[in-house]
Formats: sequence, C-alpha cells, structure tokens
Amino acid sequence: EVQLVESGGGLVQPGGSLRLSCAASGFPFSNYAMNWVRQAPGKGLEWVSVISGSGDSTYYADSVKGRFTVSRDNSKNTLYLQMNSLRAEDTAIYYCARIAAANTHAEIDYWGQGTLVTVSS
Amino acid sequence: DIQMTQSPSSLSASVGDRVTITCRASQGISNYLAWYQQKPGKVPKLLIYAASTLQSGVPSRFSGSGSGTDFTLTISSLQPEDVATFYCQKYNTAPFTFGPGTKVDVK
Repeated sequence: EVQLVESGGGLVQPGGSLRLSCAASGFPFSNYAMNWVRQAPGKGLEWVSVISGSGDSTYYADSVKGRFTVSRDNSKNTLYLQMNSLRAEDTAIYYCARIAAANTHAEIDYWGQGTLVTVSS
Repeated sequence: DIQMTQSPSSLSASVGDRVTITCRASQGISNYLAWYQQKPGKVPKLLIYAASTLQSGVPSRFSGSGSGTDFTLTISSLQPEDVATFYCQKYNTAPFTFGPGTKVDVK
C-alpha cells in the first residue's frame, strides 16, 4: 500500500525557515517523481514544486522560486521541502504527492494527508 | 506561463442530473490534463488523467474529454456522494498549474 506521511509543519514567524519531510513507503521511491502541493485555508490547490525520481530535475512555482528548495534522499525514501524567507501568504496545508512516473510530466496518483504550515508573528 | 480557468466556479444540481465542468488552458497542452476530486475535509483524489483516461476504481459515471485548450469533466448521473470541489491540472510543462476549482453541490 502506498503511504506518504508528511511532517515538519508548525508555526513560524515571517522571515523564518522550516523544513518539511515526506516519508514514503509501499512503492519503489526512486522510480517516481514527487510533488509538493499546498492549499491555503478555504482556498484551492496550488502546485509548489516537483522533483524527478532521480532528483536531477526540479521545478518551482514563481511564488516560491528562490525561497523554497525541493530535494529527496532515495536511500531513505524521503522527500523534503526547505522553506526559507517565509511569508504570511505561505500559510497552507502542504501535501506531498506522488507522480505516476519517474519523469515530472504525469498526473498525481497518490496524496499524503498534509502538514499545516502557519506563518504568523 | 499557461493559465488554467474553470467554469462554472460552482453549481448545484439534482441527483441523477448530468453535470459538465469545463477547463480551459490559455495555450495548447495536448492531452496533458488531469481531473481531481476533493471532498470536504479530505485529500484530493485522481479521477481522470491524459484528459480522458479513467483512473482505476473511479466510477464510470465520471468521464473526461478534450485536447489542446478545451477540456470537460462530465458526471453522467450526479450522486449525493459526488459533493466536492473538482480541479483540473496541466502537466505538459512546468509550472504544473491547477485550475481554480468548481464546487459541486446537490440540491
């Protein structure tokens, strides 16, 4: 069974940093690209970032480019999102999501339960 | 960047009604389009990929069509458990933008 479990969310002050993790199990992790998608309270889905199965290709939404960094450790079956210079508008539930292929150009077939990030003073 | 729009933003229909949701890309994306359903308080779920391929386990009352810039999601006979917000997403090139969503209620 595919499982994606996010952790690392919490309350952080504007300008602060946070690192999210996503522990994956139930599938060959390195064979799949992975996404981060976020959802602000009461709002729609916003794509944040993607990383290929090998980790050699990454892409970011303009809203987070230069502030967020996606990475993965295939030996630990774990996806990361390093978030720096956080702003109030980054407040959201952050979902880890599996892409149905090793490359980044495919649909999302599994989602984690999400971790809440709140940016506030 | 390619923009994704959806219409309507919300709708209310009766059980058994045929419901159609439209997703439009500002430039052609071939068939690199997925549809997701998010029920209240739940995680999104994949319904359709490659514009018209039904994900395994999804009821056959859901169908997708389109290519290029115009896409539709159809629920052939709306059921009470279909109350949700539906999102399209492009995945031909980054950014892999979602549409703004269509909220579906049952009268």
